[in-house]
Amino acid sequence: SQTIHQWPATLVQPVGSPLSLECTVEGTSNPNLYWYRQAAGRGLQLLFYSVGIGQISSEVPQNLSASRPQDRQFILSSKKLLLSDSGFYLCAWRRTGNSRETQYFGPGTRLLVL
Amino acid sequence: AQSVSQHNHHVILSEAASLELGCNYSYGGTVNLFWYVQYPGQHLQLLLKYFSGDPLVKGIKGFEAEFIKSKFSFNLRKPSVQWSDTAEYFCAVNRPGYSTLTFGKGTMLLVSP
Repeated sequence: SQTIHQWPATLVQPVGSPLSLECTVEGTSNPNLYWYRQAAGRGLQLLFYSVGIGQISSEVPQNLSASRPQDRQFILSSKKLLLSDSGFYLCAWRRTGNSRETQYFGPGTRLLVL
Repeated sequence: AQSVSQHNHHVILSEAASLELGCNYSYGGTVNLFWYVQYPGQHLQLLLKYFSGDPLVKGIKGFEAEFIKSKFSFNLRKPSVQWSDTAEYFCAVNRPGYSTLTFGKGTMLLVSP
């Protein structure tokens, strides 16, 4: 069966510090991968998605970037965090191909920037 | 660009009450429709989905949703809610051939025992 992992679960970082959040998927190959930010009352905002190694699409211009160095690894990064980067970050995966496929979500990382 | 509207941000019900959560989308063409649920402390998970065929879709835990194309709606229903249905519910849409989902802002449901 497939599983999706995110770490860390919680992170407190000072403004201006770098960020690296990791997401890995097990039990599948060549998945589509997604990064979302979830904010109270604002739903899920898609930040980045990837259909393959090294392929990243950005949905919203911002202070963050994403990379996919391996097939089942998706990393969310920032060189200098802003206060507004605080939030709950969710990673998701989906099988490639048919748009009817379900997206499966990880447990999330709660980021607090002080 | 497509958008998804969920009419109620917060809903409070007593156990055994009936539930209907509204969802409307803006895209005029063919769409795939989803409802996701996030129970307290748990992962976001799929509740049900609609692609084609019977517009009344049944999901897990007694939930169902009805696709009404003329109203661009995909409302979620349950005849009798339980305390364990307390969660946040998200409606989502995508278009055939696209790999991304557009989510609504979510509805927080609180069921009092």
